[in-house]
Amino acid sequence: AQRVTQPEKLLSVFKGAPVELKCNYSYSGSPELFWYVQYSRQRLQLLLRHISRESIKGFTADLNKGETSFHLKKPFAQEEDSAMYYCALSPYSSASKIIFGSGTRLSIRP
Amino acid sequence: EPEVTQTPSHQVTQMGQEVILRCVPISNHLYFYWYRQILGQKVEFLVSFYNNEISEKSEIFDDQFSVERPDGSNFTLKIRSTKLEDSAMYFCASSGLAGGSYSYNEQFFGPGTRLTVL
Repeated sequence: AQRVTQPEKLLSVFKGAPVELKCNYSYSGSPELFWYVQYSRQRLQLLLRHISRESIKGFTADLNKGETSFHLKKPFAQEEDSAMYYCALSPYSSASKIIFGSGTRLSIRP
Repeated sequence: EPEVTQTPSHQVTQMGQEVILRCVPISNHLYFYWYRQILGQKVEFLVSFYNNEISEKSEIFDDQFSVERPDGSNFTLKIRSTKLEDSAMYFCASSGLAGGSYSYNEQFFGPGTRLTVL
């Protein structure tokens, strides 16, 4: 079964503290993994994808195929990071559906 | 920067009525998608559309649903006879041609239409 699991519905950390949003996936092949973010009153937007190995807004995510995980990390949280974060996978390359996790609401306390 | 737009932002309808949700994808994109998110639940894939036909659909996308690209700019989702459980946020997305360094082609999402079925 194709599934993305985000165990935390809400994560609250202080500004300047490290952040880790957990994500595990279930897929028999080699999917592409992403993190999408939705800031308050804004649309869903791609934050980063595993294939690019980029750091976006200080966030990184490493794909661990052995543990089927793709956790999102940031060493020092900022207040503007408060948002809803969705881990997602795409089963195929090119144009394909996205399978989303249930999302984690990240709240950064000042 | 070009964006996906959706109208209306909120649609209220009576159970059993037909609704049409409209989307204008980014102009040079070729792949179009609909997703929905029931309140408190995850975003779910409904359908993808390419070259004027459905390329993939989920189990949710039953005979009550249809999609159409009636002209060169709009992409619509029609629900023929709405049910209470169709109440959700509906997101349209579009993506362009795959290519470049990455096999995945980024999907750009619209702001969503909130459908409320009474």
